[in-house]
Amino acid sequence: AQKVTQAQTEISVVEKEDVTLDCVYETRDTTYYLFWYKQPPSGELVFLIRRNSFDEQNEISGRYSWNFQKSTSSFNFTITASQVVDSAVYFCALSEALIYNQGGKLIFGQGTELSVKP
Amino acid sequence: NAGVTQTPKFQVLKTGQSMTLQCAQDMNHNSMYWYRQDPGMGLRLIYYSASEGTTDKGEVPNGYNVSRLNKREFSLRLESAAPSQTSVYFCASSTGGRAQPQHFGDGTRLSIL
Repeated sequence: AQKVTQAQTEISVVEKEDVTLDCVYETRDTTYYLFWYKQPPSGELVFLIRRNSFDEQNEISGRYSWNFQKSTSSFNFTITASQVVDSAVYFCALSEALIYNQGGKLIFGQGTELSVKP
Repeated sequence: NAGVTQTPKFQVLKTGQSMTLQCAQDMNHNSMYWYRQDPGMGLRLIYYSASEGTTDKGEVPNGYNVSRLNKREFSLRLESAAPSQTSVYFCASSTGGRAQPQHFGDGTRLSIL
């Protein structure tokens, strides 16, 4: 069965600290897709990044970086020099194919609540 | 750009009442989804519509029905609300295919007393 585990329920850091959010996944598919979403206190879900299973390059976007390691089935998310505005719940998700590859069901982890204090 | 619009944003119901949650997207997406979010459980798929004219059950469909009215609109109906359906409901859409990111509405916070 496909599964996503975010073992860190809550993390609290002080502004400017670096923080890494862990994500471990289970899948039997050889081709799969992983996503990170941010849910700020206002409640909406914001798409951050997608990673294909056949592309193991790490990615950096400003203060955000993602480390994908197929050998350990992990897709970790690091925020460098955290800011108060980074406070949110972060979800890692794995996409599972639906019928005839039309649409993809997202299997979400439980989420990690990040609190960045000034 | 409206993206995915959900109405209402908040609703309180009594046990046994019925209601319909509305969702509309203006991105010309083929696929639409309904999820529910409960504390400590992430989001779980209730129903989805891979394309206009089709709907299928997700992980937690019991107690719900859906209608894909046209390409833009996908509604979720609670026929007889139960306290266990107290949750935050999210509608999402995507162009289709599991590689594509899903874009979410702002959610509907539903309380059933």
